[in-house]
Amino acid sequence: GEDVEQSLFLSVREGDSSVINCTYTDSSSTYLYWYKQEPGAGLQLLTYIFSNMDMKQDQRLTVLLNKKDKHLSLRIADTQTGDSAIYFCAEGGGSYIPTFGRGTSLIVHP
Amino acid sequence: ETGVTQSPTHLIKTRGQQVTLRCSSQSGHNTVSWYQQALGQGPQFIFQYYREEENGRGNFPPRFSGLQFPNYSSELNVNALELDDSALYLCASSLGQGSSYEQYFGPGTRLTVT
Repeated sequence: GEDVEQSLFLSVREGDSSVINCTYTDSSSTYLYWYKQEPGAGLQLLTYIFSNMDMKQDQRLTVLLNKKDKHLSLRIADTQTGDSAIYFCAEGGGSYIPTFGRGTSLIVHP
Repeated sequence: ETGVTQSPTHLIKTRGQQVTLRCSSQSGHNTVSWYQQALGQGPQFIFQYYREEENGRGNFPPRFSGLQFPNYSSELNVNALELDDSALYLCASSLGQGSSYEQYFGPGTRLTVT
């Protein structure tokens, strides 16, 4: 199976919270990342969390890490239409080279 | 401070040809990583260059090769192109070989092989 798994689609209403989930397999992962990719663009690093943390908050973004279950989530509060994009979860082990999931396409509708 | 730039933006090649893609790293960054992103997939790591030396390689055949120059810009060369090489090729720069958590990506080069 894949090293990093994400659901492919998420649809939310503007103003609601979005929660994007991810599971990974490498227990030696040191960093867990969330990237955003807008159509026709490269990847933008949104946030990352060290494996010794269980939560990180950055403005509208909250990352939760359950290391026991190898589960990572990204919560976007007050989701806006400009948040519509593909969100990639990635894990980095000792080599620090991230392994990416297939991405979750977030669709925000009015 | 300039960001990561890549050229060309789009490219169409025929099966069997060779292609060179270029990347200029962010100012002050000495590490460049290359990724292949097929349609509907996440980026796959090709290789990384640190101070002009290859510093790690993913599961890609030898016909994928690269270079890093003294100014830390980089090239990705692909020989004997195959249809499956059609993808978005992303370059990312960072400061130091162990700092990929602070990678900054370019906009990518869209390669189509016919």
